[in-house]
Amino acid sequence: GQSLEQPSEVTAVEGAIVQINCTYQTSGFYGLSWYQQHDGGAPTFLSYNALDGLEETGRFSSFLSRSDSYGYLLLQELQMKDSASYFCAVRGSAGNMLTFGGGTRLMVKP
Amino acid sequence: DADVTQTPRNRITKTGKRIMLECSQTKGHDRMYWYRQDPGLGLRLIYYSFDVKDINKGEISDGYSVSRQAQAKFSLSLESAIPNQTALYFCATSERLAGIQETQYFGPGTRLLVL
Repeated sequence: GQSLEQPSEVTAVEGAIVQINCTYQTSGFYGLSWYQQHDGGAPTFLSYNALDGLEETGRFSSFLSRSDSYGYLLLQELQMKDSASYFCAVRGSAGNMLTFGGGTRLMVKP
Repeated sequence: DADVTQTPRNRITKTGKRIMLECSQTKGHDRMYWYRQDPGLGLRLIYYSFDVKDINKGEISDGYSVSRQAQAKFSLSLESAIPNQTALYFCATSERLAGIQETQYFGPGTRLLVL
């Protein structure tokens, strides 16, 4: 089976940097994805790492270490609109099924 | 127009009733998924379909059934609803891309309350 762990809640101030960690256990591994979900909304794709290292997309970056079964999402220059839940998800060995973590609720304060 | 639509958006039903949640997509994707979301548990996969003739059980398929009527339509049924099926249900689609990350695109969700 597969399981993912991430903190349930993180609070940060506007303009700051925040890191959301994700550790996973999986029998097969094809990549780690991150999705964002605003309250009342649908999850939307943010980033994907298949290989070790850092992927940068604007203010958001995602990191993966396959040897440590660990990744993180880094959000820089936080804005109030970044307040949302963030989910890490592992693509396992079969097809494209994703197993999601429980989500981290990020609250950005002024 | 939204690429992935779900109907109804909200539904209240009683224990024992049969209900159907519908999902349609205009993205032309082969792959479709049904998830449920409960607070603190993230998204859990109920069923998935890689094409019209392919249906597979996910992590939590008990109590649910699906129908892939066409490439663009994937329905989820609760044959006899029970209160612990109260949840937010999402449909998602993805395009088959060999060896490359397949982004999943989610519908707006259906909020279901079983009394």
